[in-house]
Amino acid sequence: GQQVMQIPQYQHVQEGEDFTTYCNSSTTLSNIQWYKQRPGGHPVFLIQLVKSGEVKKQKRLTFQFGEAKKNSSLHITATQTTDVGTYFCAGRGGSEKLVFGKGTKLTVNP
Amino acid sequence: DAGITQSPRYKITETGRQVTLMCHQTWSHSYMFWYRQDLGHGLRLIYYSAAADITDKGEVPDGYVVSRSKTENFPLTLESATRSQTSVYFCASSPEGGVFQETQYFGPGTRLLVL
Repeated sequence: GQQVMQIPQYQHVQEGEDFTTYCNSSTTLSNIQWYKQRPGGHPVFLIQLVKSGEVKKQKRLTFQFGEAKKNSSLHITATQTTDVGTYFCAGRGGSEKLVFGKGTKLTVNP
Repeated sequence: DAGITQSPRYKITETGRQVTLMCHQTWSHSYMFWYRQDLGHGLRLIYYSAAADITDKGEVPDGYVVSRSKTENFPLTLESATRSQTSVYFCASSPEGGVFQETQYFGPGTRLLVL
């Protein structure tokens, strides 16, 4: 079945450093979504990418969808303590079920 | 605007007991989902429902039962709880789950401990 791998599993940075998490699928995706889960909270939708090679920005966050639509990345510039949490990618291939990556847990040292 | 709610928020039970986790959404979303979240496993889909009276298995359905008699409710029942079912359970809903796959909106979660 479809698998979505996400790396790294954990990332610790100093405040002000950049952060990137990568998502790779075993199959071509129709689209990919990114979610953020704050400690003790629930996943919250950040963005959806649909087109091959698409790049979207939300303030300090940059999301990319690969040309082959099998990989994606989330890059945070100059991290802040408010960026702490776990970031999940989620994609769907041929079925209607959304498959989540295992997430990257980001901690930020002030 | 209540959105999506789950009850109870916390539950402690014993092995072998039946437990039902409730999920209610006020948006009239077609799709509803149950996930469990465990360290090292991320979010794993248990069951989902495309509409009232339509349910289907996800990745880890064993030991769980769902029903959806009304669009707004999607209860999850653990027929005979086991310690391995200790987890955080999230319910989610989505307007559509098909080709144009919409956002999933998650409830606050239920933290279940099985002793």
